[in-house]
Amino acid sequence: AQTVTQSQPEMSVQEAETVTLSCTYDTSESDYYLFWYKQPPSRQMILVIRQEAYKQQNATENRFSVNFQKAAKSFSLKISDSQLGDAAMYFCAYTIPYSGYALNFGKGTSLLVTP
Amino acid sequence: ETGVTQTPRHLVMGMTNKKSLKCEQHLGHNAMYWYKQSAKKPLELMFVYNFKEQTENNSVPSRFSPECPNSSHLFLHLHTLQPEDSALYLCASSQGLRGASTDTQYFGPGTRLTVL
Repeated sequence: AQTVTQSQPEMSVQEAETVTLSCTYDTSESDYYLFWYKQPPSRQMILVIRQEAYKQQNATENRFSVNFQKAAKSFSLKISDSQLGDAAMYFCAYTIPYSGYALNFGKGTSLLVTP
Repeated sequence: ETGVTQTPRHLVMGMTNKKSLKCEQHLGHNAMYWYKQSAKKPLELMFVYNFKEQTENNSVPSRFSPECPNSSHLFLHLHTLQPEDSALYLCASSQGLRGASTDTQYFGPGTRLTVL
């Protein structure tokens, strides 16, 4: 079975600080795509960042960046200068090209941002 | 309207009722998805439609019946549900290139379903 593990059910960060959310995954494929999605209390799942496994350079999107370690099958998300609006559930996911359309999700990490 | 919309946002139904969930996307996408999100569990893919054809059915019980009349609309028809079917049902869409699963998926706000 292909799985995604988010080992931190809950995390807390102070406003303006930096926090890193962990994600590991298990796949025997060499080509895949990784995602971080954010789900705020409104329940709308929003794409935060996307990484292609064939790219060595870590993806960045404004205050969000990833640390992609392919050999270790690790894909952590770093949020810099945390804002109150960053409070949400964060889901790590991956998909295998040409193997259907399934996004394999982790169970999520709940991020609390304190003033 | 922008993005992916879902109606209703909340639904309470008895086990003998028949109801439908509706999803509409305004992104010009060709693939649409139904996911089930239960507490403490990862999102579960239920159905995928690409160019109006069902391409995946992840062993979903027949009490859930999807319908995709066109690339912009997706329905999930519900009948004789069980209490364990209570969950958040999320719809998503993506560009839907044939054979490609690497599209970014855009999600709707979900329908919170409670089965009594």
